[in-house]
Amino acid sequence: AQSVAQPEDQVNVAEGNPLTVKCTYSVSGNPYLFWYVQYPNRGLQFLLKYITGDNLVKGSYGFEAEFNKSQTSFHLKKPSALVSDSALYFCAVRDLHAGNNRKLIWGLGTSLAVNP
Amino acid sequence: NAGVTQTPKFQVLKTGQSMTLQCAQDMNHNSMYWYRQDPGMGLRLIYYSASEGTTDKGEVPNGYNVSRLNKREFSLRLESAAPSQTSVYFCASSPGYGGTTEAFFGQGTRLTVV
Repeated sequence: AQSVAQPEDQVNVAEGNPLTVKCTYSVSGNPYLFWYVQYPNRGLQFLLKYITGDNLVKGSYGFEAEFNKSQTSFHLKKPSALVSDSALYFCAVRDLHAGNNRKLIWGLGTSLAVNP
Repeated sequence: NAGVTQTPKFQVLKTGQSMTLQCAQDMNHNSMYWYRQDPGMGLRLIYYSASEGTTDKGEVPNGYNVSRLNKREFSLRLESAAPSQTSVYFCASSPGYGGTTEAFFGQGTRLTVV
């Protein structure tokens, strides 16, 4: 079955330190991968996506993600965390099953807390 | 540029009542979606509309109906609300198929069914 996993419910980092939010996936074929962020009481906002090409994808607010095909991972990273990065982060992958190609499979989310 | 607008933002219903959640986008997107978000469950797709005039069931369609009124508007109706439908509902839109392009989300409707 196709799936996406975010193995950490919560990640805590100190402001100024690098952060990583992990995502692994299981799909047949070439994945389309996405990261979204949700600030408190708000809708989700798109951060970045990987479709093809360079394995390192740069996105909004200084975030980047590295696609690793051998490890089936798409971890979100930022070199220096800000308190304002504290939010809920979702990884998603395109469902490649025939007839389902309009849908995304969503991870359960990782809560990031950046401490001053 | 308003993006995706949902109304209402908050609603309390009694069991058995009906209501319609409204969603409109001003980005000329073809595809629109309704999701629900529950603690520990992530986002679950209720219904989607790939283009004007078409709608399809998602993962959790039971108890809901939708209408793609025109290209801009996609409404979600609860005919007979149940406590299990207490959730935060998000409408989203995307230029093309949802699995290939990024989606834009509304701010959500927090629904409580008592």
